[in-house]
Amino acid sequence: DAGITQSPRHKVTETGTPVTLRCHQTENHRYMYWYRQDPGHGLRLIHYSYGVKDTDKGEVSDGYSVSRSKTEDFLLTLESATSSQTSVYFCAISEGDRDEAFFGQGTRLTVV
Amino acid sequence: ILNVEQSPQSLHVQEGDSTNFTCSFPSSNFYALHWYRWETAKSPEALFVMTLNGDEKKKGRISATLNTKEGYSYLYIKGSQPEDSATYLCAFRNQGGKLIFGQGTELSVKP
Repeated sequence: DAGITQSPRHKVTETGTPVTLRCHQTENHRYMYWYRQDPGHGLRLIHYSYGVKDTDKGEVSDGYSVSRSKTEDFLLTLESATSSQTSVYFCAISEGDRDEAFFGQGTRLTVV
Repeated sequence: ILNVEQSPQSLHVQEGDSTNFTCSFPSSNFYALHWYRWETAKSPEALFVMTLNGDEKKKGRISATLNTKEGYSYLYIKGSQPEDSATYLCAFRNQGGKLIFGQGTELSVKP
C-alpha cells in the first residue's frame, strides 16, 4: 500500500472556526491532491500541488486554502468553516505525469 | 472548466452479464485517462492509466479502450460477478497535472 496518511480521520467543528486537514506521504511523490466527496457529485478537486510551494486551484476551491512546504505534507485549511463544507475529504498522491493516483483513507468533517 | 462525464449513472445487472460504461472528456490538453474502482467504505483504487489514442488495457475480466481524438473511453466487464459491484470512476489528467474525476457509474451485480 502507498504510504499516505490523512489526519484527523474524523472531526466535528463549529461554523466559523478554522480547520486544517493534513495529508502525509512517505513515497516522495511529486503530485498531491485534495478532493471532497459528496452524494451525487463524486470526487471534486479542491486544490492540487505539483511540487513544494507549487499549488493550483481545482473545481471547488472557494473557502479553502492549501500549503505544501515539504514534499511529504499537503495541508488543506478551511479558514472559516461553513455547513456546506461538511463532507468526506480525500487526499491523493501521484508520482509522475503518467502514473496512477493513490488515495488516503479519507477524513469525515462535520460542521455544525 | 474541465467536463468529465460518465454514463450511465447506475447499472443493475445479473451475474454473468457483460457490461460497459462510457467516459467522455475534453479532447484538448489531454495527458492521460484513468479508471478507478471504488468499493463502499474504501478508497478508490486504480484499474488503468491510458495515454495514447487507441490504447487498450486489460486486467482479468475488465478491459478499457481510449479514443483521445473524439474524447471518450469505454470500460468493459465480461461475465460480471457480485464482487464487481462498486462505483467505477474515470479521471482526465491534463498537461498541468490536474486530475478531474467524472461522477462515476455505480454497478450492482445480483447473484
